[in-house]
Amino acid sequence: AQSVTQLGSHVSVSEGALVLLRCNYSSSVPPYLFWYVQYPNQGLQLLLKYTTGATLVKGINGFEAEFKKSETSFHLTKPSAHMSDAAEYFCAVSVPQGGSEKLVFGKGTKLTVNP
Amino acid sequence: DTAVSQTPKYLVTQMGNDKSIKCEQNLGHDTMYWYKQDSKKFLKIMFSYNNKELIINETVPNRFSPKSPDKAHLNLHINSLELGDSAVYFCASSRRGAIPYEQYFGPGTRLTVT
Repeated sequence: AQSVTQLGSHVSVSEGALVLLRCNYSSSVPPYLFWYVQYPNQGLQLLLKYTTGATLVKGINGFEAEFKKSETSFHLTKPSAHMSDAAEYFCAVSVPQGGSEKLVFGKGTKLTVNP
Repeated sequence: DTAVSQTPKYLVTQMGNDKSIKCEQNLGHDTMYWYKQDSKKFLKIMFSYNNKELIINETVPNRFSPKSPDKAHLNLHINSLELGDSAVYFCASSRRGAIPYEQYFGPGTRLTVT
């Protein structure tokens, strides 16, 4: 079964520091991977996605992620954290089912940015 | 110009009541979903509809009944509410294609059962 594991339920960084949020996937077929961000009391917003093609994917707000098949990883990075990046981040894999798809999410990583 | 909207945003009710949550998307998508986010922020799919047809029905109690009157709407009706139903419910929509498109999420409905 396809699944996603996010290492670290909480990550704390200083403003201006590198952000690294880890995601490993398990999939028997080529995976389609997504990172979503959830700000407090809001819905989920897509940061970036990997479907096919280039393995380094750039998203919104300066985030990027690299698909590494050999490591079954899709880690999210941002060179310099901003206070506004404080939120919950979810990695997800798209799983086909019955002619549709569902997103299977990791448990989320809460990012705290310290001034 | 909200893409995916849900009403109500907050819903507080007592055990045993019946309630509905409405969802509408104006993106022209043909697939809609309901997800449940529990108190630990864990997200899990409940249902998906494609062109008004139920496609995915995860292991959800039959007290939960989705209804899709048209491609732009997907409502969730919950009978005999229980304390464990307290959660945030998200509606989402996407296009359908050979490669999965991203899902667009609504703002969520926070259901509290007392």
